[in-house]
Amino acid sequence: GDSVTQTEGLVTLTKGLPVMLNCTYQTTYSPFLFWYVQHLNEAPKLLLKSSTDNKRTEHQGFYATLHKSSSSFHLQKSSVQLSDSALYFCALSDPSGSWQLIFGSGTQLTVMP
Amino acid sequence: NAGVIQTPRHKVTGKGQEATLWCEPISGHSAVFWYRQTIVQGLEFLTYFRNQAPIDDSGMPKERFSAQMPNQSHSTLKIQSTQPQDSAVYLCASSLLGNQDTQYFGPGTRLLVL
Repeated sequence: GDSVTQTEGLVTLTKGLPVMLNCTYQTTYSPFLFWYVQHLNEAPKLLLKSSTDNKRTEHQGFYATLHKSSSSFHLQKSSVQLSDSALYFCALSDPSGSWQLIFGSGTQLTVMP
Repeated sequence: NAGVIQTPRHKVTGKGQEATLWCEPISGHSAVFWYRQTIVQGLEFLTYFRNQAPIDDSGMPKERFSAQMPNQSHSTLKIQSTQPQDSAVYLCASSLLGNQDTQYFGPGTRLLVL
């Protein structure tokens, strides 16, 4: 079946440093890939989305590029801020199906002063 | 725009009791999704409605769980004979048809089954 893998469960960084959160996926269709961010006790919010191979997408300083050749959609930011501390989920969906989101296990990002 | 509204925000039930969770999608959104979030299983899809019709319930447990969307302004998720393993945050999301790539999540209902 379809799946999303996030290898880091917990990432702790100092403010101002760059970050990359890994996301790889397995599917038989041409998917949409997403990054959602969830702050403590809040709803998940869409951060980035893409279905275009090798095109960088950016929002709020975060960016990611969908690479279908390697089935990856890693999330990056050049300089993390304290407010970036949150749970980040990578997800995929089938645009020809029901659009249900299949989520990875999530990466907790903690940014220290 | 109030966003997706979910009620109650917190619910505590005893084992064996029934729990009904409510979701009001964003006005004009005709696609409604239910998900469940636990520490162990993470975020899991439960069911999907389009124009109030059930389209995909492949994530719903076969027993005790049911979902309805009687009108365009609300959907319900009902759990009969609740069990401790049903304890989770139940999230509702909505989107515009044709824009299901952008789902807006509600704050969730935190269900605790004692």
